[in-house]
Amino acid sequence: QKEVEQNSGPLSVPEGAIASLNCTYSDRGSQSFFWYRQYSGKSPELIMFIYSNGDKEDGRFTAQLNKASQYVSLLIRDSQPSDSATYLCAPEGGGVSNYQLIWGAGTKLIIKP
Amino acid sequence: GAVVSQHPSWVICKSGTSVKIECRSLDFQATTMFWYRQFPKQSLMLMATSNEGSKATYEQGVEKDKFLINHASLTLSTLTVTSAHPEDSSFYICSARQGATGQPQHFGDGTRLSIL
Repeated sequence: QKEVEQNSGPLSVPEGAIASLNCTYSDRGSQSFFWYRQYSGKSPELIMFIYSNGDKEDGRFTAQLNKASQYVSLLIRDSQPSDSATYLCAPEGGGVSNYQLIWGAGTKLIIKP
Repeated sequence: GAVVSQHPSWVICKSGTSVKIECRSLDFQATTMFWYRQFPKQSLMLMATSNEGSKATYEQGVEKDKFLINHASLTLSTLTVTSAHPEDSSFYICSARQGATGQPQHFGDGTRLSIL
C-alpha cells in the first residue's frame, strides 16, 4: 500500500513568518513530487513540483526533496492570510501505476494576521 | 496556461436522473484525464483514469456501469453518473495531464452534485 503522511494540523503561523509543511512517502519508486493548495470548497491548484534532491524555489515557495529519507517539504516565506488553505503533498507513484498521484490527507494551514 | 474547464459547477437533480459532467483542457492536449470525488473534510479519491481513445481504468470499488467515462478527444472527457441516488451526492473534480509521467495534473473547478 503506497502511502503519504502529512500532519493534518491545523498549523497556525503568524503573518509574515515562515510556514513549514512536511510530508513523508512510502513508495521508493516515486520520482516526481507535487504540492497543491486547496481552499475550502474549491478544487486543488498546483503550487510547484520537484524532481531532484535538494531545494527548488519559486517566489515565496521553496520545495525540498530528500529521496533517501523519503521526505518532501514546502516552505512558505512571508506567509499571508491568503495562504490559509489545506496543502496536499502528492508524489507520483512508481511501478505499474506510475501515472497516478498518491495523495496525502493534507495539512491545514492557518495564517494569523 | 494549462487551463481546465469543468461544467457544470453545480447540479441539483432528482433521484434516478443521469447527470453528465464535462471536462475540457482549453490550451493543451490532455493525454490523460483523471476523475476524482471528494466528500466533505476528506481526501481526494481517484475514481478513474482515462486516456484519449481508450477505455477508462476504474479504481477498485468504483462501479463502471454507474460512472460512465468517455475520453473522445485530447481535450474532452465526460463523466456520466447514471441513475443517480442521494449517496452519489459529492464534489466531483476532473484533472488533466499533458504528456508522459512526471507532468503535473491540472484541475478543473469541480462539480458539486446534489441528488434529492
